[in-house]
Amino acid sequence: DSGVTQTPKHLITATGQRVTLRCSPRSGDLSVYWYQQSLDQGLQFLIQYYNGEERAKGNILERFSAQQFPDLHSELNLSSLELGDSALYFCASSVEGFGRGSGGELFFGEGSRLTVL
Amino acid sequence: GQSLEQPSEVTAVEGAIVQINCTYQTSGFYGLSWYQQHDGGAPTFLSYNALDGLEETGRFSSFLSRSDSYGYLLLQELQMKDSASYFCAVRENMDSNYQLIWGAGTKLIIKP
Repeated sequence: DSGVTQTPKHLITATGQRVTLRCSPRSGDLSVYWYQQSLDQGLQFLIQYYNGEERAKGNILERFSAQQFPDLHSELNLSSLELGDSALYFCASSVEGFGRGSGGELFFGEGSRLTVL
Repeated sequence: GQSLEQPSEVTAVEGAIVQINCTYQTSGFYGLSWYQQHDGGAPTFLSYNALDGLEETGRFSSFLSRSDSYGYLLLQELQMKDSASYFCAVRENMDSNYQLIWGAGTKLIIKP
């Protein structure tokens, strides 16, 4: 158990809909990362938050948005869903995101599997 | 630009040794990490190299050569449970923020 909690584990929805994925980081971790992984593909970095502020953006579509709340949990909002958005969405957390730290180990949640029909 | 290259697939026999290579081209390099991911599971951290040389953790070892922009993950005494995808990831400093740049992953297939 990594200590990172993601909900829901599975989600099936229709094209054009909107969903929200939720992530609770490990206790004490200030950084939250969101990744998308399509079937048999690598990890695509979407966005990173550190202590409530957006820190870095990756290949995140304009239809997607995220935020990190004062209690450090994070939500990823996916709207106007398309078939191609079907994927595993991982949240990860780490202690540091700004400044020198340890080996930068990320702790991943079990993921939210999104199926768009 | 930033890029990491690793083989897409490697096949080995149970009990053998296998090496998964990773070459990278990045700026602001700080270190190289390796993660393991079983099908449908979450990536889990295996190792991190910031300095040149070999780091050993049980059956797994990781090597880094900063001058060659190259690293590898060495798995010994392969077990069927080692069948998974292995990702290398470079930790680099971009705009005073530490980022992880990920390789596409290597699928390790182990045959009995």
